[in-house]
Amino acid sequence: NAGVMQNPRHLVRRRGQEARLRCSPMKGHSHVYWYRQLPEEGLKFMVYLQKENIIDESGMPKERFSAEFPKEGPSILRIQQVVRGDSAAYFCASGPSSLAPTPSGKSYEQYFGPGTRLTVT
Amino acid sequence: GQSLEQPSEVTAVEGAIVQINCTYQTSGFYGLSWYQQHDGGAPTFLSYNGLDGLEETGRFSSFLSRSDSYGYLLLQELQMKDSASYFCAVRCILTGGGNKLTFGTGTQLKVEL
Repeated sequence: NAGVMQNPRHLVRRRGQEARLRCSPMKGHSHVYWYRQLPEEGLKFMVYLQKENIIDESGMPKERFSAEFPKEGPSILRIQQVVRGDSAAYFCASGPSSLAPTPSGKSYEQYFGPGTRLTVT
Repeated sequence: GQSLEQPSEVTAVEGAIVQINCTYQTSGFYGLSWYQQHDGGAPTFLSYNGLDGLEETGRFSSFLSRSDSYGYLLLQELQMKDSASYFCAVRCILTGGGNKLTFGTGTQLKVEL
């Protein structure tokens, strides 16, 4: 009964490099969410995906950031040409659909992974 | 836009009761959730209110008043392990049946002997 898995747990990148963060949702969950948390702040919504579809990316920076959730494999959050301001904890969450006739779990719950701590040097 | 306000810090003694308040301004409100986070780890779900009133889950209870745009989390019989950050989060329903959570800035609870 694995929970939400994220890797790597810690990632160090130099300015200008690319960062790839991976997330595998809980079994039975079709929805994936990415959040960013800066030190001493709350989590900020970035993007919501279903398999092969980006549903809402209203919280994603317009440049350098992209996300995908392919038919096979984990969801990927990709940050190109990282800058120091990208240093943060990035959390992935998964949850059931509010529309499913028998959702696996309460539809209002989101289950969070352990996060990836990105440090840009 | 959406905004949520919580106290930044609360201190209480072991065995006591503490209440963490949350006021919000939002559009598309569907419910209020509470999450606990230890030392920057994975936030864990505590409680949810979709309707006005009190929800009780063991030592934790949560209250919502939609007309006042206000909620609170009540922690009873405090234990040292309850020292953590507590976040309220407004839930909105998205296209496709997903949920968007907008988090407050969090309340750091310190439990002392």
